[in-house]
Amino acid sequence: ELKVEQNPLFLSMQEGKNYTIYCNYSTTSDRLYWYRQDPGKSLESLFVLLSNGAVKQEGRLMASLDTKARLSTLHITAAVHDLSATYFCAVGNAGNMLTFGGGTRLMVKP
Amino acid sequence: DVKVTQSSRYLVKRTGEKVFLECVQDMDHENMFWYRQDPGLGLRLIYFSYDVKMKEKGDIPEGYSVSREKKERFSLILESASTNQTSMYLCASSLTGGLTEAFFGQGTRLTVV
Repeated sequence: ELKVEQNPLFLSMQEGKNYTIYCNYSTTSDRLYWYRQDPGKSLESLFVLLSNGAVKQEGRLMASLDTKARLSTLHITAAVHDLSATYFCAVGNAGNMLTFGGGTRLMVKP
Repeated sequence: DVKVTQSSRYLVKRTGEKVFLECVQDMDHENMFWYRQDPGLGLRLIYFSYDVKMKEKGDIPEGYSVSREKKERFSLILESASTNQTSMYLCASSLTGGLTEAFFGQGTRLTVV
């Protein structure tokens, strides 16, 4: 059974600081996704990572995938308030299903 | 843009009622999914469908059923609602192929009283 763990579940950080969210998963997979969810809103796709060593960047967010370690990271550089949201990683498995982590609620304070 | 639309944003139902949550997507996606989202538990898959009239159980199917009579529409049915089914329900769709992302609807917050 595929399990996906995210750490931390809650993150409060100052603007301008850097931090990393971790996503560990328990079985082999060939794809990993990062989503963002704003309060009361649906999930918005951020990154799709399909191979070992894949790195993708969009603005202040950078995601990477290490399939051997079964680990993905979402790195935040010089955080700004607009990045406050809940971030989910999801791992693809058989039948096009996704298994989600518990989410990381990020709060960026001025 | 892919659009996944859920019929209601908020619902309040009584214990024992039969509840229907509807989801429609407009991008001809083969796969459709129903998740429930609870604080600290992330999203958990209830059911998914990979074709019309085809369905597979997810991780937490108990107390739920689904219907997919048309490709664009996927319904989640709570046969007899209970208070522990109070949650946020999210519908998603994706193309077949395994490498494509899922697109989500806006969610339905269901309260069972």
